[in-house]
Amino acid sequence: EAQVTQNPRYLITVTGKKLTVTCSQNMNHEYMSWYRQDPGLGLRQIYYSMNVEVTDKGDVPEGYKVSRKEKRNFPLILESPSPNQTSLYFCASSLKKPGQGGSGANVLTFGAGSRLTVL
Amino acid sequence: QQQVKQSPQSLIVQKGGISIINCAYENTAFDYFPWYQQFPGKGPALLIAIRPDVSEKKEGRFTISFNKSAKQFSLHIMDSQPGDSATYFCAASVRGSTLGRLYFGRGTQLTVWP
Repeated sequence: EAQVTQNPRYLITVTGKKLTVTCSQNMNHEYMSWYRQDPGLGLRQIYYSMNVEVTDKGDVPEGYKVSRKEKRNFPLILESPSPNQTSLYFCASSLKKPGQGGSGANVLTFGAGSRLTVL
Repeated sequence: QQQVKQSPQSLIVQKGGISIINCAYENTAFDYFPWYQQFPGKGPALLIAIRPDVSEKKEGRFTISFNKSAKQFSLHIMDSQPGDSATYFCAASVRGSTLGRLYFGRGTQLTVWP
């Protein structure tokens, strides 16, 4: 089944304890992205990657790191989590970057979400 | 600065009614406008999308209306059903941009009462 898999789905951690949220897709997609969803603020892009070893900042990159060493994986790293990073996180991927390619090529497939609580 | 402004934040509609969600943008370079639907506990999924060369696109009960001169687009859900209760996000991007950005609105939580 074509999908984006995120882990963990739920995590409670404490301030300062490094954590990684993994994201993997099995569709050979070039484009991958991380979003956080907060009430009233919608989906805000954290980082995105247009291909292996190509990453760039979104709207809210502070406090996060990413890497894209393989096409299928795009982990989100919180080096020193803080309570303001408590949120619902989504990883998404598409065959091509937004706006590029023909019909369907830039449709984002989202993971099921990772709910993170930082105490 | 918010690239895409969406309203209302929440919407309550009776079964069988019409749900209307509006979005506005300033960047005239935007040329792809998708709508994503998110059910509770799930990730968003593409519902319908439009490019600015047409003023309307219909898929079943869902219609996007696009007004290029006003820089606005809207989602109409005809004969709204309780199963349509979800959060809806509009979005916009620029085809051919060197950046990989899809800008989302803040979302509209739709509740359809039976």
